[in-house]
Amino acid sequence: GAVVSQHPSWVICKSGTSVKIECRSLDFQATTMFWYRQFPKQSLMLMATSNEGSKATYEQGVEKDKFLINHASLTLSTLTVTSAHPEDSSFYICSARFGQGTGELFFGEGSRLTVL
Amino acid sequence: GQSLEQPSEVTAVEGAIVQINCTYQTSGFYGLSWYQQHDGGAPTFLSYNALDGLEETGRFSSFLSRSDSYGYLLLQELQMKDSASYFCAVKTGANNLFFGTGTRLTVIP
Repeated sequence: GAVVSQHPSWVICKSGTSVKIECRSLDFQATTMFWYRQFPKQSLMLMATSNEGSKATYEQGVEKDKFLINHASLTLSTLTVTSAHPEDSSFYICSARFGQGTGELFFGEGSRLTVL
Repeated sequence: GQSLEQPSEVTAVEGAIVQINCTYQTSGFYGLSWYQQHDGGAPTFLSYNALDGLEETGRFSSFLSRSDSYGYLLLQELQMKDSASYFCAVKTGANNLFFGTGTRLTVIP
């Protein structure tokens, strides 16, 4: 089946630094990718929809200047957490849809960010 | 606003059957999906219902009633490895998937 790969799986950084997370669709082209955030024992919250070749669409309450999304190719989307703070520590998961018509999303392995 | 309600926790015995309910209120509705997530892992797709009725895939079945804004996931012949969180999610648009609060299933011997 379709595979989405996410890197890095774990990242620890100092407060004030920026962190980039990559999301790749390995065997299909994804014009649209989605970035979610998940706090422990909570649901997945959609942060933004990443559109290849155009600006991302952010959900209400998500700071677009803090969470920079770039979708430069049909197989790669990146999320950069800028000037990270401890409250940004979370599990970030990307996903992509393979084809249309169903509710099936393929998720990356997730990236656990810890900001010290 | 939009909301999806699920029980927060369910415990069941190995070999038994368990049903996880989901009720939803959303601005748009294309279909209802179910995802499984083990601790520390990524969600994996289980099923999708666009029309009313029951969809069966092995030990797992999913049901939808659009008129009642209600669906459920049925897990049969429970195994220890089924212990995980289960999320219902509504497809509200061509590219939008809104997730429920999740149900943590614990299977005990």
